[in-house]
Amino acid sequence: AQSVSQHNHHVILSEAASLELGCNYSYGGTVNLFWYVQYPGQHLQLLLKYFSGDPLVKGIKGFEAEFIKSKFSFNLRKPSVQWSDTAEYFCAVDTGTASKLTFGTGTRLQVTL
Amino acid sequence: EPEVTQTPSHQVTQMGQEVILRCVPISNHLYFYWYRQILGQKVEFLVSFYNNEISEKSEIFDDQFSVERPDGSNFTLKIRSTKLEDSAMYFCASWAPRDLNEQFFGPGTRLTVL
Repeated sequence: AQSVSQHNHHVILSEAASLELGCNYSYGGTVNLFWYVQYPGQHLQLLLKYFSGDPLVKGIKGFEAEFIKSKFSFNLRKPSVQWSDTAEYFCAVDTGTASKLTFGTGTRLQVTL
Repeated sequence: EPEVTQTPSHQVTQMGQEVILRCVPISNHLYFYWYRQILGQKVEFLVSFYNNEISEKSEIFDDQFSVERPDGSNFTLKIRSTKLEDSAMYFCASWAPRDLNEQFFGPGTRLTVL
């Protein structure tokens, strides 16, 4: 069975700082990779996803992630965070079409002014 | 923009009572899911549903749980006899092939079992 690890549970950054959130997965086969964001009081929203092709994927709101197959990693990055990026970020994987998502434990990002 | 809706937003119940959580998936979506998130823990898969039957379920989804699509729009999760440990946020999601593997999530129902 697949599993997902997110190493940072709580990250505090000042506005304009750069962000990198780690995500590693464990699965022997092909996976699809996702980052979801949950703003306070709101539902999970997709930030970006990787299925195949260019391992550097760009998502909404200036976020990007790089799939490094050899490291089983899919880290999320943003060059300059904003206060409005304060949220919980979840990395997730699935193993095929319409299959279940397996989530990491989430990283709470707090951006200070 | 189409969205998944869930009702109620918050449900408080006594231990041993039955609860039904309701979801209206995005119209024309074909696959439906329930996930839950116990406070402070990760989002966990419960069950997926396709073509009016369960396609996959987790070990959490025991005989106390059931799902149903009673009509063309609603997708429900029933917990027959709630336990304290069922207290969690329950998310519904739906998916369609045209959406390239993106599952769309509802806002969740917070279930509190007393």
